[in-house]
Amino acid sequence: EAGVTQFPSHSVIEKGQTVTLRCDPISGHDNLYWYRRVMGKEIKFLLHFVKESKQDESGMPNNRFLAERTGGTYSTLKVQPAELEDSGVYFCASSHQGFRSPLHFGNGTRLTVT
Amino acid sequence: KNQVEQSPQSLIILEGKNCTLQCNYTVSPFSNLRWYKQDTGRGPVSLTIMTFSENTKSNGRYTATLDADTKQSSLHITASQLSDSASYICVVSQSLAGTYKYIFGTGTRLKVLA
Repeated sequence: EAGVTQFPSHSVIEKGQTVTLRCDPISGHDNLYWYRRVMGKEIKFLLHFVKESKQDESGMPNNRFLAERTGGTYSTLKVQPAELEDSGVYFCASSHQGFRSPLHFGNGTRLTVT
Repeated sequence: KNQVEQSPQSLIILEGKNCTLQCNYTVSPFSNLRWYKQDTGRGPVSLTIMTFSENTKSNGRYTATLDADTKQSSLHITASQLSDSASYICVVSQSLAGTYKYIFGTGTRLKVLA
C-alpha cells in the first residue's frame, strides 16, 4: 500500500508570491486532513475533507488559504499571497472512517516565505 | 480550552535504558488518545491507540497507559535503541457531532546515545 505523498517536499518563495501544495492520500481513504506546524509549536489543524466535501475548515487562518479536493482524490492547498508567518511544515494525513483508524501522514512540505 | 501538554520537552538517554514520557490533556469530550512517533523529516506514525476503557496498551517495547480520571497518559519505552531517537507526540481525539477532531501536543524530543 502506497503511503500519503506530498509535493513538493520543500518550497522557498518570496512574500506576496503564490504556492500550491499537493497531497495524494492513501487510495480508499475518505478522510483527508491538512495540518501545519510552525517552529517550536504543536501541529495544528487546518481543515478536513470527507471525500470531496469540506467537513471542517475552522482551522484555516484566513482567506489567503484555499484547499480543494478534486473528485475526492488528491488535494491541493494554495496560499495566495504568501506572508512571512505562513512559513512552517504543512502535513497532509488521510484515514478510513471510524475512530480506530489512525491518521496516516505524509512527510510534509516545508514552506519558507522570505 | 482543549489542550494537550507533554513533558519533558526533550530527553537524552543511553542506549538500553528505559524512559517514560508524559501527556496531560484537557480535551472534552474525549474519544481516544494516540501516541505517534515522528522521525526527523518524516510524518508522524501511530504507535498506540487508547480509548476511555483501556488503561494499558503495548506495542513491542512501547507501553502506553491512560488514566481517564486524571486525564493523564504515559508512554514507556523499554530497552531503548538508537532508532528510538525521534519526537513522540500525544494526540487526543475529541468527539463532536459524529466527527473527530485531533488535538496535538508539542511532543517530546528523545535522543538515544550509544
